[in-house]
Amino acid sequence: NAGVTQTPKFQVLKTGQSMTLQCAQDMNHNSMYWYRQDPGMGLRLIYYSASEGTTDKGEVPNGYNVSRLNKREFSLRLESAAPSQTSVYFCASSYGVIYEQYFGPGTRLTVT
Amino acid sequence: AQSVSQHNHHVILSEAASLELGCNYSYGGTVNLFWYVQYPGQHLQLLLKYFSGDPLVKGIKGFEAEFIKSKFSFNLRKPSVQWSDTAEYFCAVIAPGNTGKLIFGQGTTLQVKP
Repeated sequence: NAGVTQTPKFQVLKTGQSMTLQCAQDMNHNSMYWYRQDPGMGLRLIYYSASEGTTDKGEVPNGYNVSRLNKREFSLRLESAAPSQTSVYFCASSYGVIYEQYFGPGTRLTVT
Repeated sequence: AQSVSQHNHHVILSEAASLELGCNYSYGGTVNLFWYVQYPGQHLQLLLKYFSGDPLVKGIKGFEAEFIKSKFSFNLRKPSVQWSDTAEYFCAVIAPGNTGKLIFGQGTTLQVKP
């Protein structure tokens, strides 16, 4: 099993550009999550999907949108990138919202 | 506000020293507790978890943690650290009444000197 995979691994954007981060899991998990990691701030939840067909805002949703494409895939979209969105983005999945989460390798995004 | 606090931001130890990393949370009621580790350049991996039962839980790589409900604490311990334990450690809490959102502490960077 590959676990949780993310693409791309690295990305540089100019302010105002858009992009979509892709995430897929092969563990038949119901719940999926997007986090951002910034130095000294731990991980902060952007959006999550408790089950296929549902999405909810996390702690820092502004500037992002998500799509739960199917049970396996959960994408994160930046419509108009800003330098404040420079961060490392992690996708995670879990069997259900109260269970341990498994993380992908991350996407390092720089917005100039 | 509901939160998770890790007391030590940066810990430096010599090999074979004992480790204890503090974690406190501010949720009342039932909680699920986790410790994750992030080795340099890698993604987060689960070290151990506590849902219920024996408050002393054992995880991978010789780590253990003790849940003390009265102190709202879930401290991570290891009797003898190795250079390979150099990493960032995150405590995290799910309060089921909080729609299952996993809340992370700020993280503790552990540096083990050979």
